[in-house]
Amino acid sequence: NFMLTQPHSVSESPGKTVTISCTRSSGSIASNYVQWYQQRPGSAPTTVIYEDNQRPSGVPDRFSGSIDSSSNSASLTISGLKTEDEADYYCQSYDSSNHWVFGGGTKLTVL
Amino acid sequence: EVQLVESGGGLVQPGGSLRLSCAASGFTFSSYEMNWVRQAPGKGLEWVSYISSSGSTIYYADSVKGRFTISRDNAKNSLYLQMNSLRAEDTAVYYCARFLAVAGHFDYWGQGTLVTVSS
Repeated sequence: NFMLTQPHSVSESPGKTVTISCTRSSGSIASNYVQWYQQRPGSAPTTVIYEDNQRPSGVPDRFSGSIDSSSNSASLTISGLKTEDEADYYCQSYDSSNHWVFGGGTKLTVL
Repeated sequence: EVQLVESGGGLVQPGGSLRLSCAASGFTFSSYEMNWVRQAPGKGLEWVSYISSSGSTIYYADSVKGRFTISRDNAKNSLYLQMNSLRAEDTAVYYCARFLAVAGHFDYWGQGTLVTVSS
């Protein structure tokens, strides 16, 4: 099994752009799609990115995802930050041994 | 409207058992793969178990294998998690989550049910 490592926290000002990384410990990041979930306090997670860079309907195009094979990582970028974006963000991928793996989560503060 | 409503959580002593249920509505339950995902207090998400739409294929996280059993009743639109030999580290909010296979993500989640394992 592999691990997905995320920064514990990031912060940025409203209107700015922030990027959250998710590094895969072993195996290629491109081997399996990466998803990103947003979880606001007291709420269940919701998907903001699936299949590396796809947005579910209803998710604003301020949210984008990408993968970088050179760093073996995925990234979630949020542009035009709004206070409502303040939440925990989790990356997730699939392990070929039939397990789903989550990153440890990143707390985004919009100050 | 898709709804997933978990129930069955509560306080249980170490070594005890608990059965969680997830009632689904607003979609054809028998057509979807389902999962349980948990979140310990103040911690991140941890995948627990998967079951295929028919119930014929099941997977477990190593941390619960041999102790937890996932099942479903498509006639009752319900998902279950039987948890035995509970440990303090199983304390968490347990979410049922629908898996959208065509897009590869958990597209709907319930609000969760809290399981506390403590003496």
